[in-house]
Amino acid sequence: GAGVSQSPSNKVTEKGKDVELRCDPISGHTALYWYRQSLGQGLEFLIYFQGNSAPDKSGLPSDRFSAERTGGSVSTLTIQRTQQEDSAVYLCASSLGGGLAGLYNEQFFGPGTRLTVL
Amino acid sequence: AQKVTQAQTEISVVEKEDVTLDCVYETRDTTYYLFWYKQPPSGELVFLIRRNSFDEQNEISGRYSWNFQKSTSSFNFTITASQVVDSAVYFCALSENNFNKFYFGSGTKLNVKP
Repeated sequence: GAGVSQSPSNKVTEKGKDVELRCDPISGHTALYWYRQSLGQGLEFLIYFQGNSAPDKSGLPSDRFSAERTGGSVSTLTIQRTQQEDSAVYLCASSLGGGLAGLYNEQFFGPGTRLTVL
Repeated sequence: AQKVTQAQTEISVVEKEDVTLDCVYETRDTTYYLFWYKQPPSGELVFLIRRNSFDEQNEISGRYSWNFQKSTSSFNFTITASQVVDSAVYFCALSENNFNKFYFGSGTKLNVKP
C-alpha cells in the first residue's frame, strides 16, 4: 500500500521567496505531523494535526511558517519570505490516531522534502 | 534546558558486539510517552518503540531491548549482537501530557563495522 508521500522531494529557492511543501498521509490516518531536520542536526517538531485541527502551533519556528490540512488528508506547510536558516529536510508523518489514541499508534514517515534557500 | 538528552554523539562498534544507546529525559508531567526512532543512511525515519510513563517493564524485541527507569529518568536502548544494518542515527523522543508536541534528542550515530 502507499506510504506517506511528500512533494517536492527537493526544492531550491531564493531568499525571500515563499515555498509550499506538501504531505499526503496514508489513507485513513487522522493524525499528521511535521518535523524539520537541519543538516547534521536532530529533529525538531513543528506541528501536529488531528483531523484538520492543529491544537498547538507553538512549535512553528516563526510567524513566517504556517500549516494547514484540508479534508483530513493532505497538508501543506508554507514558509513565507524564506531565509537561509530555513534550509533543512522537512519531514511529514502520519498515524492512525492523534492525541492519546495516536500515541499508541506507530508514526509512518515520508521521505522528506529537502529545502535549500540560496 | 533540553528535555531529551542523548549524550553519545557517535558510537562505533564491531559487528556482534552489544551496544547501549543512552537517553535521559526531563519532564514534570506524570503522564508522558517515550519513543525511539531509527534513521538509516537512506534517510527515512523508522519508528521503533513507544513507552508510556506508567509501564516500567522492560521490553525486548528480537535483538532490541529497552530499559525504562523512572528513578533515573532514562530510557536506554540496547542492541544485542549488533549487525552492520544497525548502522544509523537513533533518536529518542518525549511527548508530554498534552500529547501535542514531541521533543527529540540530538541523536546518536551508531557505526557497526564488519
